[in-house]
Amino acid sequence: QQPVQSPQAVILREGEDAVINCSSSKALYSVHWYRQKHGEAPVFLMILLKGGEQKGHEKISASFNEKKQQSSLYLTASQLSYSGTYFCGTSYNFNKFYFGSGTKLNVKP
Amino acid sequence: DTEVTQTPKHLVMGMTNKKSLKCEQHMGHRAMYWYKQKAKKPPELMFVYSYEKLSINESVPSRFSPECPNSSLLNLHLHALQPEDSALYLCASSQDYGTVNIQYFGAGTRLSVL
Repeated sequence: QQPVQSPQAVILREGEDAVINCSSSKALYSVHWYRQKHGEAPVFLMILLKGGEQKGHEKISASFNEKKQQSSLYLTASQLSYSGTYFCGTSYNFNKFYFGSGTKLNVKP
Repeated sequence: DTEVTQTPKHLVMGMTNKKSLKCEQHMGHRAMYWYKQKAKKPPELMFVYSYEKLSINESVPSRFSPECPNSSLLNLHLHALQPEDSALYLCASSQDYGTVNIQYFGAGTRLSVL
């Protein structure tokens, strides 16, 4: 039931863009995005609550396609501080919260 | 203040020991969570407390025993653990329990079972 993320890992140079996808086999009612740096707690980035919603957070934005049961996270002009593992997350039946499989992002100078 | 505090940061215990993990938040949140995270894996939900009552227990072995003494505190009592229980244990809290609530995480307790 865990959402599947792609790619599993990505390496970027500073200033490059990246897209992280989160797909589900079941209907999504909301999608959360978190970033976790090595040895640290996951940190909330944004939440999308309805289909078609797009949100932005500095140079990080996300979209939610309810029909396709997927969400995408867009990182623009990446910075070194963007490195970490990105997780999407959702609750299918308004109970248990599932994190996605994770995408490890490494931004190099 | 969006801080969730977990103690201890590191814990090493033998399989016959009894220990406890502690989590505290002062944001007035009414939902608190325990997650287990193995290396290079996403966090997995173990327990959820909502308004100090256990709402979700994800078939966790009885050697893990949660406790919510009040709305600010969450404990996880450990007894007779196995080496495969070694992991990062994360606590989180949210305003309420439900799909739209943002979870705030503590830095975690890294547990090693020998």
